Amino acid sequence: AQKVTQAQTEISVVEKEDVTLDCVYETRDTTYYLFWYKQPPSGELFFLIRRNSFDEQNEISGRYSWNFQKSTSSFNFTITASQVVDSAVYFCALSGTVQGAQKLVFGQGTRLTINP
Amino acid sequence: DTEVTQTPKHLVMGMTNKKSLKCEQHMGHRAMYWYKQKAKKPPELMFVYSYEKLSINESVPSRFSPECPNSSLLNLHLHALQPEDSALYLCASSAQGANTEAFFGQGTRLTVV
Repeated sequence: AQKVTQAQTEISVVEKEDVTLDCVYETRDTTYYLFWYKQPPSGELFFLIRRNSFDEQNEISGRYSWNFQKSTSSFNFTITASQVVDSAVYFCALSGTVQGAQKLVFGQGTRLTINP
Repeated sequence: DTEVTQTPKHLVMGMTNKKSLKCEQHMGHRAMYWYKQKAKKPPELMFVYSYEKLSINESVPSRFSPECPNSSLLNLHLHALQPEDSALYLCASSAQGANTEAFFGQGTRLTVV
């Protein structure tokens, strides 16, 4: 069975601080895909990043960076110089293929609050 | 056009009502999904359609009935719901395969009274 654990339920920081959101996953698949999604209060989930199980390169996109480590089954997300607009619930998700389509398993989410 | 549009945004219905949720995408995606999200919980997969055919039903009660009339539209028909079915219902679409990102709509906030 696939499982995603986001141990941090809520994080609150002051604007401009750096913050890291943790994600640990479990899967027996040798090929799998990891995602981060952002959910602001409006409800829509916005895709942030995808990482393949065979690609352990870290990635940086502006103020966002991701650290994927297969050895520890972790896919952590860091926001540098946080801003109030980063306040949202962030979900880490694991994907497998079922009958050609995607089956996402989400972690419990981390509610991030950036205070001015 | 990278949008998934869901209507209505809010819905209040009685336990004896019949209503439908609608979802539309024009990105050419051939996989479409319904997720249910309770407050302060992650989205949970309900149904998956692949090439307009139902490929996954995650043991959802029969009071929820999905329909995919064509490759752009996805409906969720609701009948005889219970108050515990109140939730945010999210529609999503993606290209085929597990390695593609899903695009989500804003959801329908459903309240069953």
